[in-house]
Amino acid sequence: GQQLNQSPQSMFIQEGEDVSMNCTSSSIFNTWLWYKQDPGEGPVLLIALYKAGELTSNGRLTAQFGITRKDSFLNISASIPSDVGIYFCAGQLGNYGGSQGNLIFGKGTKLSVKP
Amino acid sequence: EPEVTQTPSHQVTQMGQEVILRCVPISNHLYFYWYRQILGQKVEFLVSFYNNEISEKSEIFDDQFSVERPDGSNFTLKIRSTKLEDSAMYFCASSEAFQGAEAFFGQGTRLTVV
Repeated sequence: GQQLNQSPQSMFIQEGEDVSMNCTSSSIFNTWLWYKQDPGEGPVLLIALYKAGELTSNGRLTAQFGITRKDSFLNISASIPSDVGIYFCAGQLGNYGGSQGNLIFGKGTKLSVKP
Repeated sequence: EPEVTQTPSHQVTQMGQEVILRCVPISNHLYFYWYRQILGQKVEFLVSFYNNEISEKSEIFDDQFSVERPDGSNFTLKIRSTKLEDSAMYFCASSEAFQGAEAFFGQGTRLTVV
């Protein structure tokens, strides 16, 4: 089945540093979503991307939908301790894969922030 | 802010027992989903549901699983005869549309099969 390759698997950074993570796939997606998950909680939507090349910001978060429709990145600027958590990319194949709308998730990037 | 709510938050059951996980999707959403996350792993799609029928299901969603919208607000996942490997977090999600729409997730039900 389709897979998303998310990297890095984990990051341990100092407070104030910028963070970058990305997802790639051999499949074409029509939607990319980025979620954050805290321990024992459900994924919380951070950013949604719908058009190839689209660059969207949400506060200190910026994400882009790759031109090829096969990748996306998420940047976090000036990290703070509450950014700690696991970040997941999720793609929706849509018409490109005959999907009815379900999301395919990456394996997550675990972010740790040192004060 | 509208949210997806799930009950119970934690369910412990004996192997072979039936469990029903409940979800109340966001009220104006028409598309509903169940996902599963085994501890420490990625979130995996189980099933999508629209207009009172299953739209799509994954290989995980075998005959022991079923979904139902028993009334205008609830959406349930039933596992008929639980196995140890069914232990996981189960997330319900809903969206306004199948494609090009944001899916919002509930807080999850932690199912522990003993």
